[in-house]
Amino acid sequence: GQNIDQPTEMTATEGAIVQINCTYQTSGFNGLFWYQQHAGEAPTFLSYNVLDGLEEKGRFSSFLSRSKGYSYLLLKELQMKDSASYLCAGMDSNYQLIWGAGTKLIIKP
Amino acid sequence: IAGITQAPTSQILAAGRRMTLRCTQDMRHNAMYWYRQDLGLGLRLIHYSNTAGTTGKGEVPDGYSVSRANTDDFPLTLASAVPSQTSVYFCASSEFGGTGGEQYFGPGTRLTVT
Repeated sequence: GQNIDQPTEMTATEGAIVQINCTYQTSGFNGLFWYQQHAGEAPTFLSYNVLDGLEEKGRFSSFLSRSKGYSYLLLKELQMKDSASYLCAGMDSNYQLIWGAGTKLIIKP
Repeated sequence: IAGITQAPTSQILAAGRRMTLRCTQDMRHNAMYWYRQDLGLGLRLIHYSNTAGTTGKGEVPDGYSVSRANTDDFPLTLASAVPSQTSVYFCASSEFGGTGGEQYFGPGTRLTVT
């Protein structure tokens, strides 16, 4: 079957760095997405990895290892506004997204 | 309009009633999607459309139907609502279906079936 696993909740301190891990199992693979979702709002796109390695975009970076079925999202210089849920999604062979349940990130001052 | 709009924002519906959730995008995207989001679960795909005039079933299509008469609109209909359909419903679009690509989400409709 297809499955995306990520931690339910994480806590970090303002100004620090946090890494949110995601393991995936999909029927075929056409990339790994990360989305941010603030409470009561729609998900918004953060990053897309289809090749192994690290993609950096400002304070956010995303890493992919296809051989390990593993990705992480790295958030640097955490700000209070980064408090949100972070959704990992794998794209399968039919180009459909398989979503994890999301990691709720709590930022403390 | 900029992006995707959904209506209504929220709705309380009696079981057995028929309901249509509306979704409109102005980005001229070819592909559109309907998801439901439930606490503790990931987003689950209900139906999708890769281009106007075509639709497909997602992971959880039972009890729902869709149509795609034109590029901009993708309504989702619950023929006879049941309490298990209580959820937050998100409509999304992407430039092309059947390819990798970012999906853009509407603000969601919170539906409660009593």
